Amino acid sequence: QQQVKQSPQSLIVQKGGISIINCAYENTAFDYFPWYQQFPGKGPALLIAIRPDVSEKKEGRFTISFNKSAKQFSLHIMDSQPGDSATYFCAAKGGSEKLVFGKGTKLTVNP
Amino acid sequence: EPEVTQTPSHQVTQMGQEVILRCVPISNHLYFYWYRQILGQKVEFLVSFYNNEISEKSEIFDDQFSVERPDGSNFTLKIRSTKLEDSAMYFCASSKIAAQNTGELFFGEGSRLTVL
Repeated sequence: QQQVKQSPQSLIVQKGGISIINCAYENTAFDYFPWYQQFPGKGPALLIAIRPDVSEKKEGRFTISFNKSAKQFSLHIMDSQPGDSATYFCAAKGGSEKLVFGKGTKLTVNP
Repeated sequence: EPEVTQTPSHQVTQMGQEVILRCVPISNHLYFYWYRQILGQKVEFLVSFYNNEISEKSEIFDDQFSVERPDGSNFTLKIRSTKLEDSAMYFCASSKIAAQNTGELFFGEGSRLTVL
């Protein structure tokens, strides 16, 4: 119930391509869905976040799509760049202090 | 740009020893958190702290763990008697408003704990 399932575990994309990472959840109390980006040796950093009252949010090359009925949300990275190579975590939170993270997706963007 | 700082960056300890991990949250933040990440696995919530007391803790945060804000700047995580399975990266985070009100969490770079 408290889990957030993330896929794929790893993703290799060519420069300029679209990277897509998917997450699913069960807990309908979740009401905040952030994505975090983590570079090796660094802490997670907030990339973009969405609430369930909107179906899409875009910030630059990063877009979150949210499907409330399916309890799924995804991150799309347009025009992927080598500098986007990092581990991406989806997360969810609702009604408590606890942020529940997915297991992460290691993205590699080849030049 | 203000940031959360953590020390030490890496600590190696023997099983059964006490460890204290230190964090300096962003200065005008009021809510403080510890998360951990076992190598290659997801980031897991340990505890949240506000107004000098624990506001929420996970099942991981048992009696071996404690947190403290000993002065106006530091926030510490103590593990009383370390076990092998405590080996992980420990992240401190802070936010200006409560995470349950979707305050953005700012994470430090982590303290890697290795228990031998």
